[in-house]
Amino acid sequence: TQLLEQSPQFLSIQEGENLTVYCNSSSVFSSLQWYRQEPGEGPVLLVTVVTGGEVKKLKRLTFQFGDARKDSSLHITAAQPGDTGLYLCAGAQGAQKLVFGQGTRLTINP
Amino acid sequence: DSGVTQTPKHLITATGQRVTLRCSPRSGDLSVYWYQQSLDQGLQFLIQYYNGEERAKGNILERFSAQQFPDLHSELNLSSLELGDSALYFCASSATSGRGSEAFFGQGTRLTVV
Repeated sequence: TQLLEQSPQFLSIQEGENLTVYCNSSSVFSSLQWYRQEPGEGPVLLVTVVTGGEVKKLKRLTFQFGDARKDSSLHITAAQPGDTGLYLCAGAQGAQKLVFGQGTRLTINP
Repeated sequence: DSGVTQTPKHLITATGQRVTLRCSPRSGDLSVYWYQQSLDQGLQFLIQYYNGEERAKGNILERFSAQQFPDLHSELNLSSLELGDSALYFCASSATSGRGSEAFFGQGTRLTVV
């Protein structure tokens, strides 16, 4: 059973377009993180959201935690080829266990 | 550099063999996670240790085992290897204090079973 569902699984868009990636669950998480992974490398932490309804911005990336702390979204404005990668969301549950979604593979075409 | 060190970076071995993957967490982090990532797949949680004790277990095969030592480094042992065990194996560490469990990943060990 996949506790965190990410959608879409694959997304290929043109440079300059906007996009949103979703991370959904029926479970409540104490915090939620977004990671970006490039081929052959380990995931790198982008952001952590903790409070329901919280919005965090990282340059052209906007992260939102759902009010009920069950879901999150990542919005990228004016996507660039350098944004290409696998985006993973992860929710923290009791005993500090991290649960990862399957990821969204994003390709930005020049 | 995440501060998490994994060795070796690459490993090629034959079916039926046994290998040990090593992970040194970030300084001060008590929690270590092991994940498996097959080609173009997401991260599959294997096992978590916290301060030397097993904390959580995921879809880890009986042929696989792990431990965390008093100096907090961890080892993942994979035995009776099969072709399907070929994957990237990641170690991550976190401080596990408070509500945020931010994990910092090593660069992974790419295991190829031939």
